Amino acid sequence: DAGVTQSPTHLIKTRGQQVTLRCSPKSGHDTVSWYQQALGQGPQFIFQYYEEEERQRGNFPDRFSGHQFPNYSSELNVNALLLGDSALYLCASSLDARTGGGNYGYTFGSGTRLTVV
Amino acid sequence: GQSLEQPSEVTAVEGAIVQINCTYQTSGFYGLSWYQQHDGGAPTFLSYNGLDGLEETGRFSSFLSRSDSYGYLLLQELQMKDSASYFCAVSLQSGTYKYIFGTGTRLKVLA
Repeated sequence: DAGVTQSPTHLIKTRGQQVTLRCSPKSGHDTVSWYQQALGQGPQFIFQYYEEEERQRGNFPDRFSGHQFPNYSSELNVNALLLGDSALYLCASSLDARTGGGNYGYTFGSGTRLTVV
Repeated sequence: GQSLEQPSEVTAVEGAIVQINCTYQTSGFYGLSWYQQHDGGAPTFLSYNGLDGLEETGRFSSFLSRSDSYGYLLLQELQMKDSASYFCAVSLQSGTYKYIFGTGTRLKVLA
């Protein structure tokens, strides 16, 4: 049973560039959430996608955008990269409560380590 | 604002019992979850409390007091592999919607 798959695992970008991170959810899950985790900190919620729409958003600027595809996979895009965007980006999948899920937690991927130089 | 407070670091020896506390102040509350994260790894779901009281899952137990905005994770019979960071997380709505995570507690288990 494949868990959550994220690609790439590591990435180095230059300030001002744009980056796209990808996530394939766990089989059977329909909801994808993205989190940013700075070193030594807890994950911070960026946004969540369900039924190909952004359902909730955290306190992140519009430079952060995303997409969910019909097969439930998702992309996170960050434009005009800043040094402060350097972090581990985690994708988490779950099954929406309306389709049988509950408060059973996310399944996280191992993340993409983004370094902005 | 939203805040979850945890101790930054806890140290214990193999075989011991350790308790990691979490106090929260959030605009809304639906439940408290706990996640484990080894260095370089993905956070792994450990437990969920939606109601007051104790939930037990093997060597791990989690407790919630909604009136005190407080919970804890109890780890028994500590093993070296339990060395990791532990995060409490508040869910503000039913289902697995947006979580607010604490800053994490780094647990070191000594031989």
